[in-house]
Amino acid sequence: DADVTQTPRNRITKTGKRIMLECSQTKGHDRMYWYRQDPGLGLRLIYYSFDVKDINKGEISDGYSVSRQAQAKFSLSLESAIPNQTALYFCATSDTGDSNQPQHFGDGTRLSIL
Amino acid sequence: GENVEQHPSTLSVQEGDSAVIKCTYSDSASNYFPWYKQELGKRPQLIIDIRSNVGEKKDQRIAVTLNKTAKHFSLHITETQPEDSAVYFCAATPGTYKYIFGTGTRLKVLA
Repeated sequence: DADVTQTPRNRITKTGKRIMLECSQTKGHDRMYWYRQDPGLGLRLIYYSFDVKDINKGEISDGYSVSRQAQAKFSLSLESAIPNQTALYFCATSDTGDSNQPQHFGDGTRLSIL
Repeated sequence: GENVEQHPSTLSVQEGDSAVIKCTYSDSASNYFPWYKQELGKRPQLIIDIRSNVGEKKDQRIAVTLNKTAKHFSLHITETQPEDSAVYFCAATPGTYKYIFGTGTRLKVLA
């Protein structure tokens, strides 16, 4: 089945370290997204990309960067991790259309920064 | 600004009873309203969605209603079962890419 795959699933690291979270998809979707999930705050958008040459900031992009290496790959980087970036991170994809399309999520990466 | 309010934050029901979760959105441009179910340790999964040209949609035991005038939409689960226990998120879409998620409702179905 076509899917959205995130690696790693869990990561523990120290303050100041650079971290990369990876997302790949076999759904053939052009649109990809990165969210973080915190208890009581729901899902908040970090970055999104509509194609390889298109990168856009979401509502909470400070401290993060992204790279869209190919249609199927979208990675999220924390250049210098800090403890309040401890969260559950989700990648999602959606198809292109005239109207909004459902988003399909990966299994998430649980990131802990000490 | 754009936001989605979701209530209640927690909901406990007896197995077989109905559950209702309500969301209110602020941006009248929103035209697509998905609902996601997230089981413990799992990814959010789309369970039902509704577009703004429809007032109600049903899929077996779940239904969603939309009141555009009041900017309200609700998820209804009938004949609840233990496997319905999860966190449910609503979302509104004020733009072609933008999902604004509610803060989630933790549903517990008591056997």
